[in-house]
Amino acid sequence: EAQVTQNPRYLITVTGKKLTVTCSQNMNHEYMSWYRQDPGLGLRQIYYSMNVEVTDKGDVPEGYKVSRKEKRNFPLILESPSPNQTSLYFCASRPKAGTGGMPGANVLTFGAGSRLTVL
Amino acid sequence: AQKITQTQPGMFVQEKEAVTLDCTYDTSDPSYGLFWYKQPSSGEMIFLIYQGSYDQQNATEGRYSLNFQKARKSANLVISASQLGDSAMYFCAMRPIQTGANNLFFGTGTRLTVIP
Repeated sequence: EAQVTQNPRYLITVTGKKLTVTCSQNMNHEYMSWYRQDPGLGLRQIYYSMNVEVTDKGDVPEGYKVSRKEKRNFPLILESPSPNQTSLYFCASRPKAGTGGMPGANVLTFGAGSRLTVL
Repeated sequence: AQKITQTQPGMFVQEKEAVTLDCTYDTSDPSYGLFWYKQPSSGEMIFLIYQGSYDQQNATEGRYSLNFQKARKSANLVISASQLGDSAMYFCAMRPIQTGANNLFFGTGTRLTVIP
């Protein structure tokens, strides 16, 4: 089954304790991205990656790191989590632009989400 | 700057009735894609429907249709014959092709409740 897998799905941690949220996709997609969802704000992009070893900041990158060493994996790293990073996190992937028909039509496939609480 | 506006925080609809969820957008990009996603209480994001800015016809997918009015910059989602399983959060999103192609910009969402 084509899917994006995130782990952990739920995590409660304390301020300052480094954590990593893993993301893996089995669709051979070039593009991967991380979003956070907060009430009243919708989803906002944290980081994205166009391909292996190519990453760039989204709208809210502060406090996060990412890496893309393999095409299928795109982990999100919180080096020193703070309570304002309590949120619902989504990893997503899609084929690169220009494939799949009309420009812009490539649909983002989302993971199931990871609910993070930082105390 | 890209902006998506969903002005209805919550909507109620009677089962079997149709409902329209509003979405307006702002972009200077001449080419863009518009998307609707559904988020049930379980939390996952489910793609519903896509409309390209140069598409001549409004998109339809089963009970979902997108009422695209380019001049008004609106992309309303119409759900026909509502079912209890349609109760969820609905997000409108836009992907500009030239100026912001690496991001999908989301609105704040509309929570739809279907009443039996």
